[in-house]
Amino acid sequence: DVKVTQSSRYLVKRTGEKVFLECVQDMDHENMFWYRQDPGLGLRLIYFSYDVKMKEKGDIPEGYSVSREKKERFSLILESASTNQTSMYLCASSSTGRGWEKLFFGSGTQLSVL
Amino acid sequence: GESVGLHLPTLSVQEGDNSIINCAYSNSASDYFIWYKQESGKGPQFIIDIRSNMDKRQGQRVTVLLNKTVKHLSLQIAATQPGDSAVYFCAENLRAGGTSYGKLTFGQGTILTVHP
Repeated sequence: DVKVTQSSRYLVKRTGEKVFLECVQDMDHENMFWYRQDPGLGLRLIYFSYDVKMKEKGDIPEGYSVSREKKERFSLILESASTNQTSMYLCASSSTGRGWEKLFFGSGTQLSVL
Repeated sequence: GESVGLHLPTLSVQEGDNSIINCAYSNSASDYFIWYKQESGKGPQFIIDIRSNMDKRQGQRVTVLLNKTVKHLSLQIAATQPGDSAVYFCAENLRAGGTSYGKLTFGQGTILTVHP
């Protein structure tokens, strides 16, 4: 059974802290994605990676960075957390090529920045 | 701008009824569409997809209909069960774009509640 695991289900951080959200997939997928989900706004793409050490900006990359040192792991970094980054963060992975849109999601990390 | 439009409506149905969830898309060039289901406390899960050269595709208890004339997509769930209660998202992609990844754009979601 395919699995995308996010390290934390709930996270509370203070403004200005550096925050790491970790994601691991066990499907040997080339593609990995970070989305944030806010009520009424659907899912918005922050960053994605189609290979180790490769990254591409999504629709809302400001205030975020990512790291993909190993194929199975994709980290989202908030360099200096702000209250407007309070959100649900979803990690996803998919195989390369046609059908890449069939994403496998983790259960999400609800981040609160105080 | 181009967007997939769901204005977070809600749909309440009785168990056993058929459900229809609608989605309007604005990018007439989009050529691939996909539906996801998100249960409470979980990430979205793929349900069914359809390419723009089709107008209907059936899965197990689910059917997706595509009307390119009016840029409308719908998800029909037959004999709805309490386990179908979730938020449903449509998403669109323009595969014919210049990159192999295009841009997968999600709608806002529809809340489906099934009453026993």
